[in-house]
Amino acid sequence: DVQMTQSPSSLSASVGDTVTITCRASQSIRSYVNWYQQKPGRAPNLLIYAASSLQSGVPARFSGSGSGTDFTLTISSLQPEDFATYYCQQSFSIPLTFGAGTKVEIK
Amino acid sequence: QVQLEQSGAEVKKPGASVKVSCKTSGYIFIASYLSWVRQAPGQGFEWMGWVNPESGDTVYAQKFQDRVIMTRERSTSTAYMELTSLTSDDTAIYYCAKVTPLYTVTDYWGQGTLVTVSS
Repeated sequence: DVQMTQSPSSLSASVGDTVTITCRASQSIRSYVNWYQQKPGRAPNLLIYAASSLQSGVPARFSGSGSGTDFTLTISSLQPEDFATYYCQQSFSIPLTFGAGTKVEIK
Repeated sequence: QVQLEQSGAEVKKPGASVKVSCKTSGYIFIASYLSWVRQAPGQGFEWMGWVNPESGDTVYAQKFQDRVIMTRERSTSTAYMELTSLTSDDTAIYYCAKVTPLYTVTDYWGQGTLVTVSS
């Protein structure tokens, strides 16, 4: 199985900050990484697919990069509604696997 | 718009089975696989498997191979997930999720079904 190591597990930031979350795969997964946002009591919401493609309707302050084993989600100019938990997922091989999550909290 | 509507919360005793439904709308049912993913309280996500709505073929994660059954009903665009021999470790929110063929992206999720296993 492909292991997805996500870091940090949590971070504190202020409105307007730029935050970066990273995910490292245990083997090359080309560009088969997706990023999700989850708010308490809600289902995940797709933000970025195929490492860098912005899902329709998602604000442009979210961006993704990387290929192979190292991937990054960047949130520019953090907004109040962005405080949530973020997960990476690899869709290169079965079983689909997820990172452990990064909780973005208000500083 | 794409919608995945799941059945309501369940409380089960250890050793019992649970069957969760996922009624879809807003897209061509047979064009996308349907995954089942669970999230234990305060934990991350665990992919359980998927069903091909067109053929009914399934792929299960090895961990669940012996006690999960995923099916679908084309006439109602509904998918089902049955999990047997429940233990307290199966207490979780169970999500169905649509998987688009492009990059095998999980692009839409149901609202989740809480399954509680308790004696």
